[in-house]
Amino acid sequence: KNEVEQSPQNLTAQEGEFITINCSYSVGISALHWLQQHPGGGIVSLFMLSSGKKKHGRLIATINIQEKHSSLHITASHPRDSAVYICAVRSGNQFYFGTGTSLTVIP
Amino acid sequence: GAGVSQSPSNKVTEKGKDVELRCDPISGHTALYWYRQRLGQGLEFLIYFQGNSAPDKSGLPSDRFSAERTGESVSTLTIQRTQQEDSAVYLCASRTPGALDGYTFGSGTRLTVV
Repeated sequence: KNEVEQSPQNLTAQEGEFITINCSYSVGISALHWLQQHPGGGIVSLFMLSSGKKKHGRLIATINIQEKHSSLHITASHPRDSAVYICAVRSGNQFYFGTGTSLTVIP
Repeated sequence: GAGVSQSPSNKVTEKGKDVELRCDPISGHTALYWYRQRLGQGLEFLIYFQGNSAPDKSGLPSDRFSAERTGESVSTLTIQRTQQEDSAVYLCASRTPGALDGYTFGSGTRLTVV
């Protein structure tokens, strides 16, 4: 069993739709990261969370420590949001990563 | 092995020394990525290999950093004349391009420059 599980694995949405990506983890963590990876490999760290909720523009990330669950929401999705979104947790000196959610936003 | 293996898992080195970090990707994964994460910061992309070639070296932070890959397999990341600012966790990931089953990451090498 993976320490970090993401769902869905793949997601296709129409431009403008509200999108939710979920992440559950099974280890104790010091922080949870949401990452965005575009074709070519570059990763952008979108959020680092240890509690509560953060918002950057159209992106919102929430975490529930008790339930060991986090969600990434994208409001008013746009084709440029198409990427792989990765949930990652830091537990002690280890990093555990989800396998990613591949998002395609269609114009 | 079944996963991406990185070695060493921890490395403490003196400032000015050279270090070499190794990544063994999953067999058959043609794409390989190096990232690093400094304490309290997000992941930084360093370099990406497609096969044995690196089409994007823009993430390497300075000319002290270099990476190579041979046989579409093992990759080494070399840091020359290490500085304290190089202290970070260095992560390697591999995937098969076009695969929809995501990326597999190694557990990282924690580099501490003292």
